[in-house]
Amino acid sequence: QKEVEQDPGPLSVPEGAIVSLNCTYSNSAFQYFMWYRQYSRKGPELLMYTYSSGNKEDGRFTAQVDKSSKYISLFIRDSQPSDSATYLCAMKGAGTASKLTFGTGTRLQVML
Amino acid sequence: DAGITQSPRHKVTETGTPVTLRCHQTENHRYMYWYRQDPGHGLRLIHYSYGVKDTDKGEVSDGYSVSRSKTEDFLLTLESATSSQTSVYFCAISDSGTKGNYGYTFGSGTRLTVV
Repeated sequence: QKEVEQDPGPLSVPEGAIVSLNCTYSNSAFQYFMWYRQYSRKGPELLMYTYSSGNKEDGRFTAQVDKSSKYISLFIRDSQPSDSATYLCAMKGAGTASKLTFGTGTRLQVML
Repeated sequence: DAGITQSPRHKVTETGTPVTLRCHQTENHRYMYWYRQDPGHGLRLIHYSYGVKDTDKGEVSDGYSVSRSKTEDFLLTLESATSSQTSVYFCAISDSGTKGNYGYTFGSGTRLTVV
């Protein structure tokens, strides 16, 4: 079993929809949680960063972490065609020696 | 991407030849990483460096070696390329939280094809 599980999609939604992307994980030592966005033929770029449990909002994006369920989510409100990309969750434990563990990514397509 | 450059962007090479990919950063970050990205596997760590001449293996290090003689440069070498090493290779850098953010910054990738 992988440490981080992520539905690969693809997920197709109409413009303006609310999108929910999710990851589950098994390592209870993870404390830092991130979402990366990757456009086709580009490198991943950091989208959201949270520490421990709770919510974080940035414009149309909201990241949620539920450590008790080992479950993290990214919500995109009023989705736009420009949001079409692959979204990767990533997480790490405490300490500088701990490295990021990535999910395999969910491909999102927002249709006009 | 700002502060991190990978070269070459594309390369086609023959089976059995050595190949070196270069990652160059201008951010003075201590940590540098090499990943490969393949469908169904996501990003997998090959090797990483936590300082000049300090490197360690990741989860898929067989057939790869790295060197870091300067803070700004991290080289990935495929000693004898095989078709299974056809992939997209990403370099990433991190200051590991010194500015409160443990996220990595990724380069634009090198698309390598071994024929």
